[in-house]
Amino acid sequence: EVQLVESGGGLVQPGRSLKLSCAASGFTFSNYGMHWIRQAPTKGLEWVASISPSGGSTYYRDSVKGRFTISRDNAKSTLYLQMDSLRSEDTATYYCATDLGDAWGQGASVTVSS
Amino acid sequence: DVVLTQTPVSLSVTLGDQASISCRSSQSLEYSDGYTYLEWYLQKPGQSPQLLIYGVSNRFSGVPDRFIGSGSGTDFTLKISRVEPEDLGVYYCFQATHDPYTFGAGTKLELK
Repeated sequence: EVQLVESGGGLVQPGRSLKLSCAASGFTFSNYGMHWIRQAPTKGLEWVASISPSGGSTYYRDSVKGRFTISRDNAKSTLYLQMDSLRSEDTATYYCATDLGDAWGQGASVTVSS
Repeated sequence: DVVLTQTPVSLSVTLGDQASISCRSSQSLEYSDGYTYLEWYLQKPGQSPQLLIYGVSNRFSGVPDRFIGSGSGTDFTLKISRVEPEDLGVYYCFQATHDPYTFGAGTKLELK
């Protein structure tokens, strides 16, 4: 069974950092590009970042460029999102998903507040 | 950035009715390789989004044939024939042709 499980969410103060993880199982992780997608409370979906299967190429939305870093460890079948200099507008549920969109995690809640 | 405009914002239907959702793009979504990276997702209340349609018109595994995606270039449509209770939720179109990737604002399908 294909499974993506996010972890690492929580409450953090503005300006601080948080690192999300997404553990993959049930498929050959190293064959897939991956996305991070977020959803602010009561809002729609917003693409955040993507990474190629090898990790050699990464892509970000403008509002997180220079603050967020997407990475992966194919040996551990795990995707990461390092979030620095967090802002209140980063408050959201963060989902990891395969680049084909055929598998999504259950989401990790991130709240940025003092 | 590519803007995806979904209409209507909400759709009230009777079970068994047909529903139609439009997704219009500010730019053509045909990539240089000839493929159109346009997908449709359904997010049911309290759940993660689930893939319905990829490449404009290809139903994902297990998706009933009541769901039909169509369109090209900048105009796309998702039709749901004979709406069933499990079809209720918010539908999103998504484009992965142009960086940054973008979602439509969503269409909420609810019972009349």
